[in-house]
Amino acid sequence: DVKVTQSSRYLVKRTGEKVFLECVQDMDHENMFWYRQDPGLGLRLIYFSYDVKMKEKGDIPEGYSVSREKKERFSLILESASTNQTSMYLCASSLLFGELFFGEGSRLTVL
Amino acid sequence: QKEVEQDPGPLSVPEGAIVSLNCTYSNSAFQYFMWYRQYSRKGPELLMYTYSSGNKEDGRFTAQVDKSSKYISLFIRDSQPSDSATYLCAMSATTGGFKTIFGAGTRLFVKA
Repeated sequence: DVKVTQSSRYLVKRTGEKVFLECVQDMDHENMFWYRQDPGLGLRLIYFSYDVKMKEKGDIPEGYSVSREKKERFSLILESASTNQTSMYLCASSLLFGELFFGEGSRLTVL
Repeated sequence: QKEVEQDPGPLSVPEGAIVSLNCTYSNSAFQYFMWYRQYSRKGPELLMYTYSSGNKEDGRFTAQVDKSSKYISLFIRDSQPSDSATYLCAMSATTGGFKTIFGAGTRLFVKA
């Protein structure tokens, strides 16, 4: 069965802290994605990667960075968390173009 | 104007009703059309996947794509309380990278 695992389901951080969100997939997919989901705004793409060590900016990359050192792992980094980054973060992977498999999400609260 | 527009609802229907969920879009390059279902506190899961125009049926679910009108629909027949979830339309194109654009999602409640 397809599996995308996000390491933390719930996190509470303080403003200015560095935050790491980890995502691992076991499907040997080339493509991996980070989205954030906010009420009324839907899913917005932060960054994506179509190969190891490759990354591309999505629609809202400001305040975020990513790392993909291994094919199965894609990390999202908030260098200095701010309250407007309080959100649900969703990792996804895909093999075929357009068909995404999502993790269960990481709900981040920044105080 | 958003690339993909979807009424956020909520939509409340009695059990057994036929549900119609819709999205409109502005980018004529979209070729892949998807519907995802998201239960509370879970990630979205792919429900239906259609390439280009036409209909696709899977059990109680039917997806329709009308590219001439830039309009897609998901129909749920004989709706069940277990169908209560948020339904997200999504679409992507072969140009512009591997980005999938999502609608805001429609929250559906099916009452027993």
